[in-house]
Amino acid sequence: RKEVEQDPGPFNVPEGATVAFNCTYSNSASQSFFWYRQDCRKEPKLLMSVYSSGNEDGRFTAQLNRASQYISLLIRDSKLSDSATYLCVVNPSYNQGGKLIFGQGTELSVKP
Amino acid sequence: EAGVTQFPSHSVIEKGQTVTLRCDPISGHDNLYWYRRVMGKEIKFLLHFVKESKQDESGMPNNRFLAERTGGTYSTLKVQPAELEDSGVYFCASSPRDRLNYGYTFGSGTRLTVV
Repeated sequence: RKEVEQDPGPFNVPEGATVAFNCTYSNSASQSFFWYRQDCRKEPKLLMSVYSSGNEDGRFTAQLNRASQYISLLIRDSKLSDSATYLCVVNPSYNQGGKLIFGQGTELSVKP
Repeated sequence: EAGVTQFPSHSVIEKGQTVTLRCDPISGHDNLYWYRRVMGKEIKFLLHFVKESKQDESGMPNNRFLAERTGGTYSTLKVQPAELEDSGVYFCASSPRDRLNYGYTFGSGTRLTVV
């Protein structure tokens, strides 16, 4: 079983749609959680951290359920520029010193 | 501030040759990481430096890979001899000392092709 699992997609949605990505992680001791965005042939870029209470940044909302070991990302009012691969990323523990575990990514394509 | 810089951006080498990748972290960042993405797989951790010391090298695939960070500034990752399965994109990332558990900044990567 992979440490971080995501639906690879692709998700093809029209502009303006709301889309949700899900992610599960296997290590219950995991400490920090992130969503990264990766454009084609580019480096991953931090989109947002994910907090237990849930957090929002503009059109993006992230949720964490520690009991279910489940992370989600909701994108409202999708834009063409949101097309990218979204990576669910977990820091397994403080003892691991910042090592990140990546999911395989979910590809999003927003169409006009 | 300048971001994480990696060189070269692309490298094509023959099986059995040696390649050295370089990473210049953001100035002042104590933590430096190497990651790799091979085709069709997720990005995977290779190792972590704190200044010049290897904090965690649990992700290094085998002894053909050697990473160094002399003086705690830039880092090199040498593959010797390269094999076909070493092809992929090698990313470097850095973070400040006190932000271990926050997301960090990646370089644009080195795309390595072994033929």
